[in-house]
Amino acid sequence: DGGITQSPKYLFRKEGQNVTLSCEQNLNHDAMYWYRQDPGQGLRLIYYSQIVNDFQKGDIAEGYSVSREKKESFPLTVTSAQKNPTAFYLCASSWTSGGKDEQFFGPGTRLTVL
Amino acid sequence: RKEVEQDPGPFNVPEGATVAFNCTYSNSASQSFFWYRQDCRKEPKLLMSVYSSGNEDGRFTAQLNRASQYISLLIRDSKLSDSATYLCVVIKRGSTLTFGKGTMLLVSP
Repeated sequence: DGGITQSPKYLFRKEGQNVTLSCEQNLNHDAMYWYRQDPGQGLRLIYYSQIVNDFQKGDIAEGYSVSREKKESFPLTVTSAQKNPTAFYLCASSWTSGGKDEQFFGPGTRLTVL
Repeated sequence: RKEVEQDPGPFNVPEGATVAFNCTYSNSASQSFFWYRQDCRKEPKLLMSVYSSGNEDGRFTAQLNRASQYISLLIRDSKLSDSATYLCVVIKRGSTLTFGKGTMLLVSP
């Protein structure tokens, strides 16, 4: 089945530790995205990538890093510099960026920093 | 004015009712519009795109009013399974998506 997978579903980390969230898609989409959602808030864009080996900062990139070494994969690292890392993290992909194409979302990772 | 604004609700309606949500956007250069549905603690899923001429998909009707800069979603004959948060999404030309905070709908028996 085609789709987007994120792992793990729940993640707990101690304050000050870096953590990497996985996102894989087998839809052959060029563009991939990372969002963060806080309770009662809309989705906010962290980073996005339009093509392999290229990515751009979104609205709230500080404290995060990404890589796009393969078309299928777009991992997100939450670094210790991120002041409020506890949130629901959603990965998405689309055929192209620029917004006309539907974005498909993965099931999300709930990160809790203790 | 925020880029995309929605009434957070919740909208409490009985089964069979008709309910409508609006979403206002601030940037007149906005090009594309969507409604996504998000169930509790799940990922958003596309409900429908919103076209200038308006579009209908079964019990759901989406409208766009460029002059007043808002889009709407009408749900007829509400079902219990329609209970969810409905996210308005707006895209400027060549830009990424901007999500509203969502409107919560609760359909009761």
